Amino acid sequence: GQQLNQSPQSMFIQEGEDVSMNCTSSSIFNTWLWYKQDPGEGPVLLIALYKAGELTSNGRLTAQFGITRKDSFLNISASIPSDVGIYFCAGQRDDKIIFGKGTRLHILP
Amino acid sequence: NAGVMQNPRHLVRRRGQEARLRCSPMKGHSHVYWYRQLPEEGLKFMVYLQKENIIDESGMPKERFSAEFPKEGPSILRIQQVVRGDSAAYFCASSPMSSSNGYTFGSGTRLTVV
Repeated sequence: GQQLNQSPQSMFIQEGEDVSMNCTSSSIFNTWLWYKQDPGEGPVLLIALYKAGELTSNGRLTAQFGITRKDSFLNISASIPSDVGIYFCAGQRDDKIIFGKGTRLHILP
Repeated sequence: NAGVMQNPRHLVRRRGQEARLRCSPMKGHSHVYWYRQLPEEGLKFMVYLQKENIIDESGMPKERFSAEFPKEGPSILRIQQVVRGDSAAYFCASSPMSSSNGYTFGSGTRLTVV
């Protein structure tokens, strides 16, 4: 079946640091999505990418749709405590979305 | 405009009982998706429904699991004769008639089988 490889699995950073995570796939997707999940909640859409090479920002978040359409990255600049959570990449083709296993972001006190 | 509503938020069932999970999509959304999330895992697709139709159930286990989205009322995910391995968070999502913008997820139902 289709798989998305998301890395790193977890990150421990200091507040104020920049964060980078990425996702690769063996399949091409029409849309790449990045979601964030807080404990006990459902995933919330952060950024959607629709075209190969597209670079999109949402506040301190920046994401890119890879040229090959098989990869994407998410950057978070100047991390703050509320950035803690699990970040999922997801690829969408037609009406189905496939999720990566997530990157768990921890911010050290 | 309320979001995707799932209930109950938490459900405890003994082995062998039935679990019924409900999902009311966002207003104006006619597509519903069910996903399962095991601890420390991502979300795994289970089934995609439109009103009164199952469009894609390729992620549903062959036995004990069923889903429906009737003309009136919420979508229901039913798990018969639950086993401990069914313990997980079950998320429902919805989208408008046609969307390439991702889905809106509910807060999930956490099923614990004891």
